Amino acid sequence: DIQMTQSPSSLSASVGDRVSITCRASQSISTYLSWYQQKPGKAPKLLIYAASSLQSGVPSRFSGSGSGTDFTLTISSLQPEDFATYYCQQSYSTPYSFGQGAKLEIK
Amino acid sequence: QVTLKESGPALVKPTQTLTLTCTFSGFSLSTSGMRVTWIRQPPGKALEWLARIDWDDDKFYSTSLKTRLTISKDTSKNQVVLTMTNMDPVDTATYYCARTQPGLQYAFDIWGQGTMVTVSS
Repeated sequence: DIQMTQSPSSLSASVGDRVSITCRASQSISTYLSWYQQKPGKAPKLLIYAASSLQSGVPSRFSGSGSGTDFTLTISSLQPEDFATYYCQQSYSTPYSFGQGAKLEIK
Repeated sequence: QVTLKESGPALVKPTQTLTLTCTFSGFSLSTSGMRVTWIRQPPGKALEWLARIDWDDDKFYSTSLKTRLTISKDTSKNQVVLTMTNMDPVDTATYYCARTQPGLQYAFDIWGQGTMVTVSS
């Protein structure tokens, strides 16, 4: 099974900051990598698929990059509604797997 | 509009079998490339992929849970059913179903609201 490791597990930032979250796969997954945002009590929401493709309706301040084993989610200018937990997920081979999450908090 | 909704018991006893139903609308699971997946999340913890069923009835399971899981579909009713046997308190979680459609490299584009299941005697 492929293991997904995110870093950091938590981070604090201010509105307007640029932040990045990384995700590493235990083996190459090409670009079969998605990013999700989850707010408390809500289902996850798809932000990025295929490592760098922005899902319809998602603000352009969100971007994704990477291929192979190393990936990054970047938020260019944090907005108040962006404080949430972010998960990466591989869809290269079953069983698909998620990272452990990265909680983004207000500084 | 595509929607999915999970239903099932909120409380089950240890050793019992859990049956969850995902009822969806706005797409057909008989359409080539469509998939429905079950995912769970224990309180305060990360998401865990459980099982997937495809438009052609292919089925895939979590390695650690595969002996306890069964996934099936009823295309005419637009439902996907997940059964999990021998429930334990560690299975307490919110259970989600989610759709995958062709063209998004197998990402989960639409999720249900989730259903909370507590395992306790």
